[in-house]
Amino acid sequence: EVQVVESGGGLVQPGGSLRLSCAVSGSAFESYFMTWVRQAPGKGLEWVAVINPEENEKYYADSVKGRFTISRDNAKKSVYLQMDSLRVEDTAVFYCATGTKGWIFDWWGQGTLVTVSS
Amino acid sequence: DIVMTQSPDSLAVSLGERATINCKSSQSLISNNKNFLAWFQQKPGQPPNLLIYWASTRESGVPDRFSGSGSGTDFTLTISSLQAEDVAVYYCQQYYGSPITFGQGTRLEIK
Repeated sequence: EVQVVESGGGLVQPGGSLRLSCAVSGSAFESYFMTWVRQAPGKGLEWVAVINPEENEKYYADSVKGRFTISRDNAKKSVYLQMDSLRVEDTAVFYCATGTKGWIFDWWGQGTLVTVSS
Repeated sequence: DIVMTQSPDSLAVSLGERATINCKSSQSLISNNKNFLAWFQQKPGQPPNLLIYWASTRESGVPDRFSGSGSGTDFTLTISSLQAEDVAVYYCQQYYGSPITFGQGTRLEIK
């Protein structure tokens, strides 16, 4: 079984920055695709970004492109989401998930809440 | 972008009865004879849980009352005999290409 634990959420002012971290157990992390998905309060799921195992392919939702950056450290079995120029509408629970079979997101963390407010 | 549309938005079914949720994509999700479509279940206060991928492959540990069907642009999630623990919001999701997109969700309740 794979375990996923997010951290780094909190309250930030509009225009500010935040870096989310996601630690993954499991011996094959270096072969996993990794993704971030968010959920605004009371709303549905919105995909944010995905990164391939080699870190040479990254894709973003249009709503975060140019503001968010996904990265990973295979030695630390971790993936990150650097969030800059945050907006009120970025307020959400951010989930990290593994793709052990490509872009099929099979193991999810409990999420970390990001609140953007003045 | 591929738009995923679920129907209905909410559904109430009696215990032991069949529940059916539909998902339609704005373009075909078939490539190499595979449909790039997944189904997730999300219970209150919990993260999403993968139920089905490749449109009809049940994830390990998922009860066999859950099944997925369909191809191309039209897909269905069926719960053959509703149990109390199946109360949740269900999402379809396409992973055919970027941006990855989810349906708006279907809320399933007990009648």
